[in-house]
Amino acid sequence: AQKVTQAQTEISVVEKEDVTLDCVYETRDTTYYLFWYKQPPSGELVFLIRRNSFDEQNEISGRYSWNFQKSTSSFNFTITASQVVDSAVYFCALSEAVLREYGNKLVFGAGTILRVKS
Amino acid sequence: DAGVTQSPTHLIKTRGQQVTLRCSPKSGHDTVSWYQQALGQGPQFIFQYYEEEERQRGNFPDRFSGHQFPNYSSELNVNALLLGDSALYLCASSSLGTGSYEQYFGPGTRLTVT
Repeated sequence: AQKVTQAQTEISVVEKEDVTLDCVYETRDTTYYLFWYKQPPSGELVFLIRRNSFDEQNEISGRYSWNFQKSTSSFNFTITASQVVDSAVYFCALSEAVLREYGNKLVFGAGTILRVKS
Repeated sequence: DAGVTQSPTHLIKTRGQQVTLRCSPKSGHDTVSWYQQALGQGPQFIFQYYEEEERQRGNFPDRFSGHQFPNYSSELNVNALLLGDSALYLCASSSLGTGSYEQYFGPGTRLTVT
């Protein structure tokens, strides 16, 4: 069975601080996909990144970076020099190997509320 | 490029009633998924449609049903509404046909059951 755990319920930081959001996952598949989504107060989930299980290279996109470690089943997300606009709920999600006939559901963690204060 | 659209934005229904929510996928996408997000929780997968067929289903009762039309748009129907069905219903589109597995979400429909 698939499971995603985001142990941090809520994090508060002051603007310009770095912050890391943790994500631990469980799956029996050897091929799977990991995602991060941002949900601002407006409610719409915004796609941030997808990672394939066979690609452990870390990725950086502007102030965002992602650290994928299969050995610890973790896919952590770091925001550098946080800004007030980063305040949102962040979700980590897992999808097992996709077959067109069977589709691909996303299994989400409970989310981490990030509050960035000015 | 239009993103995923959902209608209506908000809806108030009474217990026992039936509701239909609608979703149009992002241009170029052929797959629609539905999720239920209760307050303070992560989205829960309801089902996914591709080629007008339900491909996968989450742990939701038969009161939840859906449909996908030839233009890839989709409907979610919920019968015999319960208070516990109050939630944000999110539609996501992707493209199984072309191997694009990222799911892009719409703004959601906020359903309140009284």
